[in-house]
Amino acid sequence: KAGVTQTPRYLIKTRGQQVTLSCSPISGHRSVSWYQQTPGQGLQFLFEYFSETQRNKGNFPGRFSGRQFSNSRSEMNVSTLELGDSALYLCASSLGQGAQNEQYFGPGTRLTVT
Amino acid sequence: AQSVTQLGSHVSVSEGALVLLRCNYSSSVPPYLFWYVQYPNQGLQLLLKYTSAATLVKGINGFEAEFKKSETSFHLTKPSAHMSDAAEYFCAVLPNSGYSTLTFGKGTMLLVSP
Repeated sequence: KAGVTQTPRYLIKTRGQQVTLSCSPISGHRSVSWYQQTPGQGLQFLFEYFSETQRNKGNFPGRFSGRQFSNSRSEMNVSTLELGDSALYLCASSLGQGAQNEQYFGPGTRLTVT
Repeated sequence: AQSVTQLGSHVSVSEGALVLLRCNYSSSVPPYLFWYVQYPNQGLQLLLKYTSAATLVKGINGFEAEFKKSETSFHLTKPSAHMSDAAEYFCAVLPNSGYSTLTFGKGTMLLVSP
């Protein structure tokens, strides 16, 4: 069974631009969560989606948004990029919500903002 | 709000020595607890999880962790370190709710010397 895939793996953008990252969950998984990983702040929760609905949201500005499609694939968008948005963005999928459903992480998308 | 504290950003051991990575959590009720490992340029891999069953949890690659409610701890151990164990380890907590939102510690980099 294929794992969680994230595209692209690496991305370089300029301040002020916007970016869209994609996450394809494991087949059959309906829950997708996004995390931002930086050396200073560590791993921080961004969003959680289940059945195309955002179920939970972390403490990030409105420039960060996301969505989930009917096939459970998810995208996150960051508008008006800032240097501080440079990070590894990780996506995780699980069968459903809650701790009993193990989350499987993708390899991440490394975003560099110059 | 729940939080996780990992003592020591870096831990160095010799190959064959005991590995002990410390994790303390704060939560009003016993949460679900996890240990993840991250190798360079990769996502997170689940090592083990505590979900209120046995307090001693065995995971992959010879790792285990013991949940101690009185100490609010969930330390990760391995009797004999291997060079391939060198990686960053994250402790995470998940409230006993319907969400899948993980709160991570800052991580501990395990260095293994020959």
